[in-house]
Amino acid sequence: DTAVSQTPKYLVTQMGNDKSIKCEQNLGHDTMYWYKQDSKKFLKIMFSYNNKELIINETVPNRFSPKSPDKAHLNLHINSLELGDSAVYFCASSQFLRETQYFGPGTRLLVL
Amino acid sequence: AQSVTQLDSQVPVFEEAPVELRCNYSSSVSVYLFWYVQYPNQGLQLLLKYLSGSTLVKGINGFEAEFNKSQTSFHLRKPSVHISDTAEYFCAVSEGSGGSNYKLTFGKGTLLTVNP
Repeated sequence: DTAVSQTPKYLVTQMGNDKSIKCEQNLGHDTMYWYKQDSKKFLKIMFSYNNKELIINETVPNRFSPKSPDKAHLNLHINSLELGDSAVYFCASSQFLRETQYFGPGTRLLVL
Repeated sequence: AQSVTQLDSQVPVFEEAPVELRCNYSSSVSVYLFWYVQYPNQGLQLLLKYLSGSTLVKGINGFEAEFNKSQTSFHLRKPSVHISDTAEYFCAVSEGSGGSNYKLTFGKGTLLTVNP
């Protein structure tokens, strides 16, 4: 069974569109995260939720909005997509804050 | 603010040779340290972590790392690499005394290429 899953795996879309990426974890963890990995492989945290509460919100355009319907899910909605949003987006989860994070396989977003 | 520096962006080695991937961090408080590996087109997988206790940490796939507080380093080592170890390796640090301060900061990665 996949511990942290993301859908879709690939996403190709036009500038200006709105898209969502879904993340689910079946590890029973309390904390979930979204990371962005750019073309140079640099990983940066975007958001973190603990028990459905937003605890980390880095300097991310407000076109990005995370939503956590329950502890096992953390979705990422992106409005008005721009070329610079092209990247790989990783979801992760951990049992507690500062504990080991388990990563999903990534969603490769390409904005044309 | 915490930061992580991986001193080598690329490390090419021959199969069965030893390897060391270097990582230095800066932080004003106590830290947790991690090494993750990313195989091509995959997510990140934890290799090993240092939380407290023994400064020599052993991980999966024969990797180990040593925490050196005075040098603020956490270098990753393997005595004999295999072709299958070819991947991107990320060092990461977390600090903070409480929930809202927690953040995992990654280095820029080191691409390890093992050649036959």
